[in-house]
Amino acid sequence: GAGVSQSPSNKVTEKGKDVELRCDPISGHTALYWYRQRLGQGLEFLIYFQGNSAPDKSGLPSDRFSAERTGESVSTLTIQRTQQEDSAVYLCASSLFVRSETQYFGPGTRLLVL
Amino acid sequence: GENVEQHPSTLSVQEGDSAVIKCTYSDSASNYFPWYKQELGKGPQLIIDIRSNVGEKKDQRIAVTLNKTAKHFSLHITETQPEDSAVYFCAATSGDAGNKLTFGGGTRVLVKP
Repeated sequence: GAGVSQSPSNKVTEKGKDVELRCDPISGHTALYWYRQRLGQGLEFLIYFQGNSAPDKSGLPSDRFSAERTGESVSTLTIQRTQQEDSAVYLCASSLFVRSETQYFGPGTRLLVL
Repeated sequence: GENVEQHPSTLSVQEGDSAVIKCTYSDSASNYFPWYKQELGKGPQLIIDIRSNVGEKKDQRIAVTLNKTAKHFSLHITETQPEDSAVYFCAATSGDAGNKLTFGGGTRVLVKP
């Protein structure tokens, strides 16, 4: 079946511009997660959704980052006024329930801020 | 919060040899420990996981061991093959905060033919 999909696969933007990253989870998965992976490093948790709600936003690096989820399906991660340090791979994962441990990852969006 | 350390950062082995990657965690409440394999340009793929009520788990050439007392867990790959070359990540979660995973820094494994 279809896995987690993300778009765009690559994004190059200029410093100061806003970007939107999209995640389509596995159909029927109620939990959705966003992680950031800087070059050569491990994954850093950003935010998770239980249904359309985000109970814990403390992982977001700054107030320039926001995320939403609609229809218990697609999620969008928005970065406003991008900075060069935002350059990274942004990975989305989903799981059947929040209490389900196995998370399935998408291919990621590679963001480069010039 | 949880902190996961992973060693080594790079590992080069001859085809057919074994590879071992070790991780330590800090939060004694962590109870689920997955291992992910990430190939170049792709997202992480779950290869094996272990829960805190189990000490060892095997799946063909891959095994994971967990020592709860010492708070460390290890990935063992036997009879390595060139297609095992990738970056491997360990992770841990206590099930709180939506089961968010805390990842180690990754191990780049190179299997030389």
